[in-house]
Amino acid sequence: DVKVTQSSRYLVKRTGEKVFLECVQDMDHENMFWYRQDPGLGLRLIYFSYDVKMKEKGDIPEGYSVSREKKERFSLILESASTNQTSMYLCASSLIPRSGTANYGYTFGSGTRLTVV
Amino acid sequence: KQEVTQIPAALSVPEGENLVLNCSFTDSAIYNLQWFRQDPGKGLTSLLLIQSSQREQTSGRLNASLDKSSGRSTLYIAASQPGDSATYLCAVRPFYNYGQNFVFGPGTRLSVLP
Repeated sequence: DVKVTQSSRYLVKRTGEKVFLECVQDMDHENMFWYRQDPGLGLRLIYFSYDVKMKEKGDIPEGYSVSREKKERFSLILESASTNQTSMYLCASSLIPRSGTANYGYTFGSGTRLTVV
Repeated sequence: KQEVTQIPAALSVPEGENLVLNCSFTDSAIYNLQWFRQDPGKGLTSLLLIQSSQREQTSGRLNASLDKSSGRSTLYIAASQPGDSATYLCAVRPFYNYGQNFVFGPGTRLSVLP
């Protein structure tokens, strides 16, 4: 069964700490995404990557950075965590749409609930 | 820019009822549309994926339809059960931005009462 795995389900960090959220997929997908989800605001795209070492800003990149050194791994970095970054973080992956590809939907990980105190 | 809306925002039904969730999108130039389920505090689970050339997809008690020209999709749940209680989100993959990102609706929160 194909999977997107997020390394932690729950994290508690202190303000000012550097935080790494890891995401690994085993489907050889080109695209990987980081979202945050907050009540009343829905899913908001932070960053995405369409290839190794490539990244694009999403709708809310401020305060975040990303790293994609290998195709299967996409890391979200909070350089200096703040309380307003307390949220549910969701990683997803997908294939690039191309002729003949049957399934290029999203596959999501289980999410990481981050609390910054 | 593509926008996705979902109606109703919340729905509460007694067990056993058939129900319909609605999703609308503003731009018909899409690769596909996907329905997800999200349980509280969890990630998103894919339910059905409809390619732009398809009209509907079925999985068990779930049936999703797509009318691309009118910018609408419906998710039909037959014989609802308390275990169906969750938030249901639809998402479209538009042609712009080379189809890199999905655009999500805000979700419909479903409660099925025993």
